[in-house]
Amino acid sequence: DIQMTQSPSFLSASVGDRVTINCKASQNINRYLNWYQQKLGEAPKLLIYNANSLQTGIPSRFSGSGSGTDFTLTISSLQPEDVATYFCLQHNSWFTFGSGTKLEIK
Amino acid sequence: QVQLTESGPGLVHPSETLSLTCTVSGFSLTGYSVYWVRQPSGKGLEWMGRMRYNGDTSYNSALKSRLSISRDTSKNQVFLKMNSLQTDDTGTYYCTRGPNKGFDYWGQGVMVTVSS
Repeated sequence: DIQMTQSPSFLSASVGDRVTINCKASQNINRYLNWYQQKLGEAPKLLIYNANSLQTGIPSRFSGSGSGTDFTLTISSLQPEDVATYFCLQHNSWFTFGSGTKLEIK
Repeated sequence: QVQLTESGPGLVHPSETLSLTCTVSGFSLTGYSVYWVRQPSGKGLEWMGRMRYNGDTSYNSALKSRLSISRDTSKNQVFLKMNSLQTDDTGTYYCTRGPNKGFDYWGQGVMVTVSS
């Protein structure tokens, strides 16, 4: 089974900061890596699919990069509405999730 | 507008069977697959199983012996049944659509508590 290691677990940053969240796969998953945002009480929302493709309707401050085993979600300029938990999903071989990153505003 | 809505009992007794329904709108169950994902309390997200667009099913090997997924295309519903529930099955259960972009749309989830 593919394991996903996500870091950090918790992140506190200021409005306007550049924020990065990482996911590392235990083996090659090509580019089959998605990023999601989940706000309290809401359904998870797809931000990035297949490592670097921006889902329709998602602000361009969100971007994804990586391939193989190492992936990064970047928020170029943090906004107050970005407070949420972010998690990754590999869908190369069945499905495995990262453990999540809770993002707050300093 | 794509929507998925989970429904089911909030409380299940230990050793009993959980029955959940995912009602979808905005897409056809014969064109997309529906997956069940759960988050046991205090733990990470776990893929449980899927109902493919063609009616085939697949299950997480860790849950396979306890799990059954079915559907009623006329009602736009996908069903999950999991037997022999224990307290560590307590958590939030989601249905989600795939597979073109992995999982693209999710329901809000339904909280299930296993307790006597």
